[in-house]
Formats: sequence, C-alpha cells, structure tokens
Amino acid sequence: ETGVTQSPTHLIKTRGQQVTLRCSSQSGHNTVSWYQQALGQGPQFIFQYYREEENGRGNFPPRFSGLQFPNYSSELNVNALELDDSALYLCASSPTGGGANYGYTFGSGTRLTVV
Amino acid sequence: RKEVEQDPGPFNVPEGATVAFNCTYSNSASQSFFWYRQDCRKEPKLLMSVYSSGNEDGRFTAQLNRASQYISLLIRDSKLSDSATYLCVVNKGGRRALTFGSGTRLQVQP
Repeated sequence: ETGVTQSPTHLIKTRGQQVTLRCSSQSGHNTVSWYQQALGQGPQFIFQYYREEENGRGNFPPRFSGLQFPNYSSELNVNALELDDSALYLCASSPTGGGANYGYTFGSGTRLTVV
Repeated sequence: RKEVEQDPGPFNVPEGATVAFNCTYSNSASQSFFWYRQDCRKEPKLLMSVYSSGNEDGRFTAQLNRASQYISLLIRDSKLSDSATYLCVVNKGGRRALTFGSGTRLQVQP
C-alpha cells in the first residue's frame, strides 16, 4: 500500500481549461516531485519541491506550476490545457535528506484526459 | 538521443525462462541507478537499486557498468506475475530528478 495518495484518480477536461491535481505525501517526506507519463513512454520530470520551494524543473512550459504545503501535501496546476497534456500524472516523494538515493515512492497517479 | 535508452520489447518468454534487459544512459554524471516495475495502468514501483558491485534480490540480479554506462536486469525462473513493464532509471544524486527510460515490456506466458 502506497504512502502517497493522489486525487482525483481520473479527470476529463476541455482544451483551454485549467486543472489542479493534488498529492499527499508520507509524513516526513519533504521532497515531492511531479511526473507526466504519456501512453507508452516513461515518466517525464515536471518539477520538484523541497521545503515548499521549487528546486528543479524539467522541460515543461510555465503553464505547469506547483505548490508544496507545510503538511507535505502538494498541488500541480496546469493552465490552458492542450490535447497533448492528456497523460498519467504521478506524484513522488522521498524521505528527508534521502532524495533519490533511496528510491522515490510514487502515488497511483491521476489520469487526465483533455478533449 | 534519449538520456536513458531501453529496448521496448515486448519480450515474450515462457514460465521458468531466464530473461535479461539492458539499458544505456548518456549522462556520465549519473550517480544513482534503479529498476522500477510498472504494471498496466499503475504507478511505477521500485524493484531494486543497482550498484557497481552488482546486487541480487531473490530471482532478480542487477548490474551496473559505469565505464560503458550500461545497466542490466536479469530475471531467473520467470513467473506469470513478473509480466510488467520494467523501467530503467538514473539520477544525478541527492534530491535531483529521476530520468526514466521508456520501459521494456515483459510478458511471461504459461
């Protein structure tokens, strides 16, 4: 059973709309990352938060933004949705100071469909 | 060129077979290496970390060759439950992002 929970599990949005995806990390996991996984591809890094500040970003446009809260929950916001944004969005957390050396724990993801 | 390259497969093998997956990575600054397993429409789950000395976990053996920038995963005595996509993952260390390959699909047949 994963210690990272994401909501909603599925979502359908119309092109041009905005969406907010949520993630609740395991207690003590102060690093959270978001990934986008298109069908048939590996997950692609969107951005990472550490102690409520963004500390790394992949090759995604500014309309992808995020927040991390003191209770280790976080949000991914996507504005002006495009059809290509349809994907599985994964949240991953790691323990304090451990980073990827311990392997991240992934949530079960939010499957976003843009029509 | 992708930063992490894997043969997409699928690898179709009978139960009990031994199967090997390979992966190459292009960034010599990579410090941590993993194999993740992903079942259909599920999240990736850490299968094992990969160390230069090689490591084994039951039927699974992982190897890392830093000089060749090459990672492998060997599965012995394949089970039906091993059917999944296996993702090769590298990281530059610390709290940096994970870089995933596109995955290799394994189908173990009865």
